[in-house]
Amino acid sequence: QKEVEQDPGPLSVPEGAIVSLNCTYSNSAFQYFMWYRQYSRKGPELLMYTYSSGNKEDGRFTAQVDKSSKYISLFIRDSQPSDSATYLCAISMTTDSWGKLQFGAGTQVVVTP
Amino acid sequence: DVKVTQSSRYLVKRTGEKVFLECVQDMDHENMFWYRQDPGLGLRLIYFSYDVKMKEKGDIPEGYSVSREKKERFSLILESASTNQTSMYLCASSLRQAKNIQYFGAGTRLSVL
Repeated sequence: QKEVEQDPGPLSVPEGAIVSLNCTYSNSAFQYFMWYRQYSRKGPELLMYTYSSGNKEDGRFTAQVDKSSKYISLFIRDSQPSDSATYLCAISMTTDSWGKLQFGAGTQVVVTP
Repeated sequence: DVKVTQSSRYLVKRTGEKVFLECVQDMDHENMFWYRQDPGLGLRLIYFSYDVKMKEKGDIPEGYSVSREKKERFSLILESASTNQTSMYLCASSLRQAKNIQYFGAGTRLSVL
Protein backbone atom coordinates (compact mmCIF):
# COMPACT_ATOMS: atom_id res chain seq x y z
CA GLN A 1 0.00 0.00 0.00
CA LYS A 2 1.30 3.44 -0.91
CA GLU A 3 1.84 5.88 1.93
CA VAL A 4 -0.07 8.59 0.05
CA GLU A 5 -3.04 7.90 -2.20
CA GLN A 6 -4.33 10.41 -4.71
CA ASP A 7 -6.87 9.97 -7.49
CA PRO A 8 -5.07 10.64 -10.81
CA GLY A 9 -8.15 12.06 -12.53
CA PRO A 10 -8.44 13.73 -14.96
CA LEU A 11 -10.85 16.07 -13.26
CA SER A 12 -12.64 18.32 -15.73
CA VAL A 13 -14.60 21.36 -14.49
CA PRO A 14 -16.13 24.42 -16.16
CA GLU A 15 -14.55 27.81 -15.57
CA GLY A 16 -15.78 29.38 -12.34
CA ALA A 17 -16.50 26.07 -10.60
CA ILE A 18 -14.91 24.91 -7.36
CA VAL A 19 -12.18 22.32 -7.79
CA SER A 20 -11.92 19.80 -4.96
CA LEU A 21 -8.80 17.66 -4.65
CA ASN A 22 -7.85 15.24 -1.93
CA CYS A 23 -5.29 12.75 -0.68
CA THR A 24 -5.30 10.12 2.00
CA TYR A 25 -2.29 8.89 3.91
CA SER A 26 -1.59 5.92 6.10
CA ASN A 27 0.98 7.00 8.70
CA SER A 28 -0.14 9.22 11.55
CA ALA A 29 3.47 10.42 11.99
CA PHE A 30 3.05 12.69 8.99
CA GLN A 31 2.72 16.26 10.21
CA TYR A 32 3.64 18.53 7.30
CA PHE A 33 1.33 18.77 4.32
CA MET A 34 1.98 20.46 1.03
CA TRP A 35 0.32 20.96 -2.32
CA TYR A 36 2.37 21.45 -5.46
CA ARG A 37 1.15 22.54 -8.87
CA GLN A 38 2.84 21.22 -11.99
CA TYR A 39 2.17 22.62 -15.41
CA SER A 40 2.87 20.47 -18.44
CA ARG A 41 6.61 20.08 -19.14
CA LYS A 42 7.52 22.06 -16.01
CA GLY A 43 8.73 21.18 -12.54
CA PRO A 44 6.38 21.24 -9.53
CA GLU A 45 5.97 24.56 -7.70
CA LEU A 46 4.86 24.88 -4.09
CA LEU A 47 1.29 26.13 -3.78
CA MET A 48 0.31 25.60 -0.15
CA TYR A 49 2.07 24.48 3.03
CA THR A 50 0.34 23.51 6.27
CA TYR A 51 1.16 21.57 9.38
CA SER A 52 -1.10 19.72 11.79
CA SER A 53 -4.88 19.92 11.43
CA GLY A 54 -6.96 22.84 10.24
CA ASN A 55 -7.50 25.12 7.28
CA LYS A 56 -5.25 27.54 5.48
CA GLU A 57 -6.43 30.01 2.90
CA ASP A 58 -4.42 31.86 0.27
CA GLY A 59 -6.48 33.79 -2.25
CA ARG A 60 -8.62 31.35 -4.22
CA PHE A 61 -6.87 28.35 -2.64
CA THR A 62 -7.81 26.61 0.62
CA ALA A 63 -5.87 23.71 2.07
CA GLN A 64 -7.57 21.54 4.67
CA VAL A 65 -6.07 18.87 6.91
CA ASP A 66 -8.05 16.32 8.88
CA LYS A 67 -5.53 14.29 10.86
CA SER A 68 -8.14 12.15 12.55
CA SER A 69 -9.19 10.84 9.14
CA LYS A 70 -5.71 11.10 7.59
CA TYR A 71 -7.21 13.15 4.81
CA ILE A 72 -6.02 16.36 3.17
CA SER A 73 -7.85 18.53 0.67
CA LEU A 74 -7.22 21.43 -1.65
CA PHE A 75 -10.05 23.62 -2.87
CA ILE A 76 -9.75 26.08 -5.75
CA ARG A 77 -12.53 28.65 -5.92
CA ASP A 78 -13.57 30.47 -9.07
CA SER A 79 -11.40 28.19 -11.18
CA GLN A 80 -9.69 29.60 -14.26
CA PRO A 81 -8.31 27.91 -17.39
CA SER A 82 -4.86 28.87 -16.07
CA ASP A 83 -5.49 26.50 -13.14
CA SER A 84 -5.31 23.57 -15.57
CA ALA A 85 -2.36 21.56 -14.27
CA THR A 86 -1.47 18.49 -12.27
CA TYR A 87 -1.77 18.95 -8.52
CA LEU A 88 0.45 16.87 -6.27
CA CYS A 89 0.02 16.41 -2.55
CA ALA A 90 3.17 15.86 -0.51
CA ILE A 91 3.62 15.00 3.14
CA SER A 92 6.52 14.78 5.54
CA MET A 93 7.23 13.55 9.04
CA THR A 94 8.48 15.69 11.90
CA THR A 95 11.00 12.98 12.75
CA ASP A 96 12.62 13.19 9.34
CA SER A 97 15.85 15.17 9.65
CA TRP A 98 16.09 16.05 5.99
CA GLY A 99 12.54 16.93 5.03
CA LYS A 100 12.01 13.96 2.75
CA LEU A 101 8.62 14.20 1.08
CA GLN A 102 6.19 11.45 0.14
CA PHE A 103 4.20 12.44 -2.93
CA GLY A 104 0.82 11.40 -4.21
CA ALA A 105 0.57 10.37 -7.85
CA GLY A 106 -0.96 13.74 -8.80
CA THR A 107 -4.42 14.71 -10.05
CA GLN A 108 -4.73 16.24 -13.50
CA VAL A 109 -7.18 19.15 -13.52
CA VAL A 110 -8.68 20.62 -16.69
CA VAL A 111 -10.68 23.85 -16.45
CA THR A 112 -12.70 24.44 -19.58
CA PRO A 113 -13.66 27.99 -20.67
CA ASP B 1 13.61 33.88 -6.61
CA VAL B 2 15.09 30.47 -6.08
CA LYS B 3 16.41 28.98 -9.24
CA VAL B 4 17.10 25.30 -9.75
CA THR B 5 18.57 24.63 -13.16
CA GLN B 6 18.81 21.24 -14.79
CA SER B 7 21.32 21.12 -17.61
CA SER B 8 19.20 19.32 -20.18
CA ARG B 9 15.46 19.30 -20.86
CA TYR B 10 15.57 16.24 -23.12
CA LEU B 11 18.13 13.46 -23.45
CA VAL B 12 18.20 10.36 -25.62
CA LYS B 13 20.73 7.67 -24.69
CA ARG B 14 21.43 4.08 -25.63
CA THR B 15 21.26 1.09 -23.33
CA GLY B 16 24.54 0.62 -21.49
CA GLU B 17 25.69 4.23 -21.78
CA LYS B 18 26.84 6.17 -18.73
CA VAL B 19 24.55 9.15 -18.25
CA PHE B 20 25.13 12.30 -16.24
CA LEU B 21 22.28 14.58 -15.17
CA GLU B 22 23.37 17.89 -13.71
CA CYS B 23 21.54 20.21 -11.33
CA VAL B 24 22.59 23.62 -10.04
CA GLN B 25 20.84 25.81 -7.47
CA ASP B 26 21.64 29.43 -6.77
CA MET B 27 20.22 29.94 -3.27
CA ASP B 28 22.88 28.36 -1.08
CA HIS B 29 20.54 25.52 -0.08
CA GLU B 30 22.05 22.75 2.02
CA ASN B 31 19.72 19.98 0.88
CA MET B 32 19.41 18.69 -2.67
CA PHE B 33 17.27 15.86 -4.02
CA TRP B 34 16.87 13.75 -7.14
CA TYR B 35 13.46 12.27 -8.02
CA ARG B 36 12.05 10.39 -10.93
CA GLN B 37 8.45 10.95 -12.01
CA ASP B 38 6.45 8.27 -13.80
CA PRO B 39 2.74 8.28 -14.73
CA GLY B 40 0.60 6.87 -11.95
CA LEU B 41 3.53 6.62 -9.55
CA GLY B 42 4.17 10.26 -8.71
CA LEU B 43 7.60 11.42 -7.61
CA ARG B 44 9.92 8.87 -6.10
CA LEU B 45 13.10 9.85 -4.30
CA ILE B 46 16.30 8.39 -5.73
CA TYR B 47 19.01 10.07 -3.65
CA PHE B 48 19.48 13.18 -1.60
CA SER B 49 22.35 15.15 -0.16
CA TYR B 50 22.42 17.33 2.94
CA ASP B 51 25.94 18.70 2.54
CA VAL B 52 28.92 18.67 0.22
CA LYS B 53 30.17 15.10 -0.32
CA MET B 54 27.30 13.74 1.81
CA LYS B 55 24.61 11.56 0.30
CA GLU B 56 21.78 9.32 1.41
CA LYS B 57 19.78 6.73 -0.47
CA GLY B 58 16.16 7.45 -1.16
CA ASP B 59 13.43 4.96 -1.95
CA ILE B 60 14.74 3.73 -5.33
CA PRO B 61 18.56 4.11 -5.49
CA GLU B 62 19.28 0.95 -7.46
CA GLY B 63 21.06 1.67 -10.74
CA TYR B 64 21.92 5.24 -9.77
CA SER B 65 24.70 7.09 -8.01
CA VAL B 66 25.20 10.75 -7.14
CA SER B 67 27.95 13.26 -6.66
CA ARG B 68 28.05 16.51 -4.75
CA GLU B 69 31.46 18.12 -4.93
CA LYS B 70 30.19 21.69 -4.54
CA LYS B 71 27.28 23.00 -2.50
CA GLU B 72 25.40 24.35 -5.49
CA ARG B 73 25.73 21.31 -7.75
CA PHE B 74 24.24 17.83 -7.46
CA SER B 75 24.76 15.24 -10.18
CA LEU B 76 22.82 12.06 -10.85
CA ILE B 77 24.70 9.28 -12.60
CA LEU B 78 23.26 6.29 -14.39
CA GLU B 79 26.23 3.94 -14.54
CA SER B 80 24.79 1.76 -17.29
CA ALA B 81 21.50 3.09 -18.60
CA SER B 82 18.65 0.67 -19.07
CA THR B 83 15.28 1.07 -20.78
CA ASN B 84 13.44 0.99 -17.45
CA GLN B 85 15.26 4.19 -16.51
CA THR B 86 13.35 6.08 -19.19
CA SER B 87 11.58 8.72 -17.11
CA MET B 88 11.29 12.37 -16.12
CA TYR B 89 14.04 13.28 -13.64
CA LEU B 90 13.50 16.18 -11.27
CA CYS B 91 16.03 17.91 -9.07
CA ALA B 92 15.01 19.89 -5.98
CA SER B 93 16.68 21.85 -3.21
CA SER B 94 15.72 23.14 0.23
CA LEU B 95 17.14 25.11 3.12
CA ARG B 96 18.06 23.14 6.22
CA GLN B 97 15.90 25.51 8.31
CA ALA B 98 12.90 25.05 6.00
CA LYS B 99 13.59 21.47 5.07
CA ASN B 100 10.08 20.60 3.91
CA ILE B 101 9.86 23.39 1.36
CA GLN B 102 11.51 22.10 -1.77
CA TYR B 103 12.12 24.04 -4.97
CA PHE B 104 12.18 22.09 -8.20
CA GLY B 105 13.92 22.37 -11.52
CA ALA B 106 12.06 22.04 -14.81
CA GLY B 107 13.04 18.40 -15.20
CA THR B 108 15.01 16.29 -17.67
CA ARG B 109 13.08 13.86 -19.82
CA LEU B 110 15.39 10.93 -20.43
CA SER B 111 14.73 8.29 -23.04
CA VAL B 112 16.89 5.18 -23.04
CA LEU B 113 16.69 3.22 -26.29
